[in-house]
Amino acid sequence: QQQVKQSPQSLIVQKGGISIINCAYENTAFDYFPWYQQFPGKGPALLIAIRPDVSEKKEGRFTISFNKSAKQFSLHIMDSQPGDSATYFCAASHDGGGTSGSRLTFGEGTQLTVNP
Amino acid sequence: GAGVSQSPRYKVAKRGQDVALRCDPISGHVSLFWYQQALGQGPEFLTYFQNEAQLDKSGLPSDRFFAERPEGSVSTLKIQRTQQEDSAVYLCASKPGLAQETQYFGPGTRLLVL
Repeated sequence: QQQVKQSPQSLIVQKGGISIINCAYENTAFDYFPWYQQFPGKGPALLIAIRPDVSEKKEGRFTISFNKSAKQFSLHIMDSQPGDSATYFCAASHDGGGTSGSRLTFGEGTQLTVNP
Repeated sequence: GAGVSQSPRYKVAKRGQDVALRCDPISGHVSLFWYQQALGQGPEFLTYFQNEAQLDKSGLPSDRFFAERPEGSVSTLKIQRTQQEDSAVYLCASKPGLAQETQYFGPGTRLLVL
């Protein structure tokens, strides 16, 4: 069962443009929503994360928008740069009381290309 | 400081061979995870350790997969009698405690089973 659905699968934007990636989840027990960035040959690295008690979180050029009623959240990259070209994964977890360690459930990934 | 390291970075195995993949987490991190990432897909959870205790192994795809963390630091993922469908990148991640906090990923081991 795919619990976190991500779109689009790939995205091409021009330098300076806005990149938007969307995710939807099914499990209402999820209460932590991070975004990870992955470059080829590297492991994923945390970009930004949000909890459902807020509707938006901004860190520099990166913003997460969260809609709890719709069970959707999105990543906005403002002023996209060629160095942002990477694969982006949304993820979700819930506090399993220690036994699950708050394991992450990932979306399928979005390959972002920012053209110079 | 040093991040999560994994070895080997690449492994080619013949079908039916056993393989062992090593993870060195960040020093002092209590929680350790293994994930499997198929080509073009997101990582999928395999198993979770809290110190030396394996608390969740619900993601292991078959009894050919076995993981251990005997001293609560280094972990090894072992795959017996490898099959072609085991070809993937195996990622290790660690985090300081038990809370919902940043998981730090290693670079992964790319396993190719021929």
